This record gives sequence, structure tokens and C-alpha cells, in this order.
Amino acid sequence: EADIYQTPRYLVIGTGKKITLECSQTMGHDKMYWYQQDPGMELHLIHYSYGVNSTEKGDLSSESTVSRIRTEHFPLTLESARPSHTSQYLCASSEFTGTGGKLFFGSGTQLSVL
Amino acid sequence: TQLLEQSPQFLSIQEGENLTVYCNSSSVFSSLQWYRQEPGEGPVLLVTVVTGGEVKKLKRLTFQFGDARKDSSLHITAAQPGDTGLYLCAGGPRSQGNLIFGKGTKLSVKP
Repeated sequence: EADIYQTPRYLVIGTGKKITLECSQTMGHDKMYWYQQDPGMELHLIHYSYGVNSTEKGDLSSESTVSRIRTEHFPLTLESARPSHTSQYLCASSEFTGTGGKLFFGSGTQLSVL
Repeated sequence: TQLLEQSPQFLSIQEGENLTVYCNSSSVFSSLQWYRQEPGEGPVLLVTVVTGGEVKKLKRLTFQFGDARKDSSLHITAAQPGDTGLYLCAGGPRSQGNLIFGKGTKLSVKP
């Protein structure tokens, strides 16, 4: 069972608002990720972290930012949300920092920006 | 850049039918993972294959890693409505890096 939690599950906000998507895991994993996914479509890696105080940009350019102050917590922030940010955001963690490690995913946050 | 191509993109079948989905690349991967994602949830790992030619079975699901570790297939026998979902393959690159995901196969099994 995955012990990785995302809140909120659904968020509908107006353009220009600042939002933070929360992600927490209780497995003690060092590596964490944020993916963006349109419904039923491919995953795009937007941020990842090797551990505390480590943040890296993923393959897909994103206006969001992330922080990693604690091992278990990896929040994603949008300073000024726009309709183009409407998507599902999935957080994940893995036990290994190398290649090929199993990813544990949260249930996602479905963001709608009006 | 390593890419994974999945086919078919969409598949709609009747309960009881068999099906195979494919995951292909021109690049070699150190490992290949298959995930299933149900609507409104995150992907869940089904299997990891690491050896060329490896075959793994998970109940009615059979996974195979190509001999050259460039491709993989997932075969489902006697599909059931509970198999409905998005099937994603993900390759572990040979050099240091993150998993590379395919675009997925969206499977619908009708009763």
C-alpha cells in the first residue's frame, strides 16, 4: 500500500490566485517527484528532488515551484494560476535515487483554473 | 533522447477477450516497469522486468521483456471489466536519470 498523500483532491480557483498543492509520504523515501497529466494521457515530469534541500526541474517546463525542507513533505506552488495550468498533478516517491526504482504515486490533485 | 512508444493508444474489447499491448523503443533500458492507472487515481506498479527475455506472470497478466531490452509486451487473458484503465510502461535509462514513461494504452473492457 502506498503511504503518500496529496491534498486537496480537487481544487477550483480563479485566475491569478496563489495555490499550494500538498504532498506527504511516510515511507522515508529520499526521492520525490511531481508529474503533470491531462486526463487519461501521458505523464510529464515537472519537478523532482533527491532529498532535503534538493530540487530539480523535470522534462516539462513549468511555472510552478517546489520546496523540500523535510524529507516527508514536497509541496508545489503556483504563484499566479492561469487556465493553462488546469490539469491533474501527481506526486510520487521512490526508495532509490538511482534508475529503475519503483514509484509510489499519490491519488493526485485535479486543478481547474477558471 | 530515449523514447517509449506504446500501442495501441486505445483499446475497447468485450469481457473474455484476450489482448496484447506493446511498448517499443530504439534504446536499451536497464529495466522496464508496467503501471496501471484507474480513473481518478495515481498509477500503481504491476511489475518490473530487468533481464532480456524475462517473462513474468501476474494472474491473467503476462509481461515480457524483449531479448535486447528495447521493448516489452503485456498480454491479458480473458479480460474483465476490472482490467479497465490506463496501462503505462516506464523504462529505466541505462545512465543515471529518471524513469521514462510511454504515453499509455487506454483499455476499456465491456461486460
